[in-house]
Amino acid sequence: DTGVSQDPRHKITKRGQNVTFRCDPISEHNRLYWYRQTLGQGPEFLTYFQNEAQLEKSRLLSDRFSAERPKGSFSTLEIQRTEQGDSAMYLCASSLRARADNEQFFGPGTRLTVL
Amino acid sequence: DAKTTQPPSMDCAEGRAANLPCNHSTISGNEYVYWYRQIHSQGPQYIIHGLKNNETNEMASLIITEDRKSSTLILPHATLRDTAVYYCIVRAINTDKLIFGTGTRLQVFP
Repeated sequence: DTGVSQDPRHKITKRGQNVTFRCDPISEHNRLYWYRQTLGQGPEFLTYFQNEAQLEKSRLLSDRFSAERPKGSFSTLEIQRTEQGDSAMYLCASSLRARADNEQFFGPGTRLTVL
Repeated sequence: DAKTTQPPSMDCAEGRAANLPCNHSTISGNEYVYWYRQIHSQGPQYIIHGLKNNETNEMASLIITEDRKSSTLILPHATLRDTAVYYCIVRAINTDKLIFGTGTRLQVFP
């Protein structure tokens, strides 16, 4: 257990539905990252926050995706009008910016299946 | 970020050293080499990182060649629990995201 938690662990939804995932980082960590991982591939960066500010978004993050970190603590990732191609593992990670090595601690992930 | 090349899979006998190679021939002077691993159905786990000197911690050793174009992650006494996908990542000091490749799937057998 790295101290990063994600909820839910599994989500099955029908195409066209909206889904929201939550990530709770390690409490003193000010950086929070979202990645997506499809079968047989390494994780792909989606976006990251420093405190409540979203500093970078990947081109993978289409306009159906939105992420928030309203109080600089937990974060949510919402996918609107889900498509079958959104089926993947969604990983959250956190780090303490003050550390030069910026080690990222990953949560267990949320596995999304879109039917 | 520089790209890395790793063999897709390797085997190692339990108790023996596992040596996982990584090529990063286009690495820049301000880029670190990181290693993460991902055990099945879990999130990636940080192992070790280095800039140009060899590094060792409780999990592994990292050997970086003098020209920094390649590195080797060494697990000195592999156990069955070390079976995982190992990712070699090159990351610039002023960036935060990790760019993963497809990694090396290490299978440790009894």
